[in-house]
Amino acid sequence: EAGVVQSPRYKIIEKKQPVAFWCNPISGHNTLYWYLQNLGQGPELLIRYENEEAVDDSQLPKDRFSAERLKGVDSTLKIQPAELGDSAVYLCASSLILAGEQFFGPGTRLTVL
Amino acid sequence: TQLLEQSPQFLSIQEGENLTVYCNSSSVFSSLQWYRQEPGEGPVLLVTVVTGGEVKKLKRLTFQFGDARKDSSLHITAAQTGDTGLYLCAGAKTDKLIFGTGTRLQVFP
Repeated sequence: EAGVVQSPRYKIIEKKQPVAFWCNPISGHNTLYWYLQNLGQGPELLIRYENEEAVDDSQLPKDRFSAERLKGVDSTLKIQPAELGDSAVYLCASSLILAGEQFFGPGTRLTVL
Repeated sequence: TQLLEQSPQFLSIQEGENLTVYCNSSSVFSSLQWYRQEPGEGPVLLVTVVTGGEVKKLKRLTFQFGDARKDSSLHITAAQTGDTGLYLCAGAKTDKLIFGTGTRLQVFP
């Protein structure tokens, strides 16, 4: 069974540029999460989807971050414009049940110069 | 705001030593999960503890959930270089997981 797929794995951009990350969750997992992880720290939730509905986006900086999950499968996270402080690893995860085991993708390491 | 504090933040030991990682909170959780994350990868679930006072063993790893379901510990016996990684606890609330601050373990040969 394929795991959570994320692309790209690495992205280097200049500040003020836009960037987008893509995630394909495990088939059948209705819940999808986007996390931000700084080096050596725990993941911090940005947004959680149940099917195509964003049910928890309270930690998403909506002035520059946006996300969508069309058709309740793949998801895209966008930053526009990127700032230096956005440099981090962006993790996508999916789960079969709420608060159950989460399956993570390898993440996208973003560097903003 | 991180509700789950892990200690120590960093741990550097030699192969064969024992170690304990702590995960503490003032909140009660319905269950607690432990993950390990290797460089360039996402976290992978090690275990879930559900009942207050529960102890689970996974080979050389022993996990304990506090009686009040507010804290947990991970004990590794005779650490190996393959245990190197970032250890994360995650407390389950009604509809979400809250991750701890992380403990980076480095095991030297």
